Amino acid sequence: SQTIHQWPATLVQPVGSPLSLECTVEGTSNPNLYWYRQAAGRGLQLLFYSVGIGQISSEVPQNLSASRPQDRQFILSSKKLLLSDSGFYLCAEDRGTNYGYTFGSGTRLTVV
Amino acid sequence: DQQVKQNSPSLSVQEGRISILNCDYTNSMFDYFLWYKKYPAEGPTFLISISSIKDKNEDGRFTVFLNKSAKHLSLHIVPSQPGDSAVYFCAASAGGGADGLTFGKGTHLIIQP
Repeated sequence: SQTIHQWPATLVQPVGSPLSLECTVEGTSNPNLYWYRQAAGRGLQLLFYSVGIGQISSEVPQNLSASRPQDRQFILSSKKLLLSDSGFYLCAEDRGTNYGYTFGSGTRLTVV
Repeated sequence: DQQVKQNSPSLSVQEGRISILNCDYTNSMFDYFLWYKKYPAEGPTFLISISSIKDKNEDGRFTVFLNKSAKHLSLHIVPSQPGDSAVYFCAASAGGGADGLTFGKGTHLIIQP
């Protein structure tokens, strides 16, 4: 079986502060990993994806960055948060099955 | 430009009746479609999928229909149950690539007792 760990579950950060959200995956090697954001009225927006260590692709220009320092670790970061960064951030893994992705439990970020 | 569209932000259905959730897409390269269910403060969970070579896939109370000529798919839930109340996301992929699923904005299904 596979497990995706995301933390923290909730986070309140002031504008201009840094951000680091971590996602780790158990039970699989060389997974494709994704960061999605669910913002009000915008569904699930793909932010970054990674097919391997150090390989990051960005889907939309934004105030965020991602890194993959280890095979099973995917980190979402920001140097200075904006109000518009508020949302529900989801890490997902694609194991290449017909079940699409497996999502983590998400992090609710509120920038104040 | 949104390639996967769920035009109904919310849908209210009486318990025991059929729920029909609709999804339209514009990208002709999409060849695999999925439905996810999401409860508040949780990650989405996979519900059912369909390949473009099929026009119907059934799993228990859930059936997905695909109309390729109309670029339209729908999810039918029969009979609807209170636990079905959630946000449902339609998603699509093209060629099984690693560059991510494209999701719709979601439809909030409310099952009324």
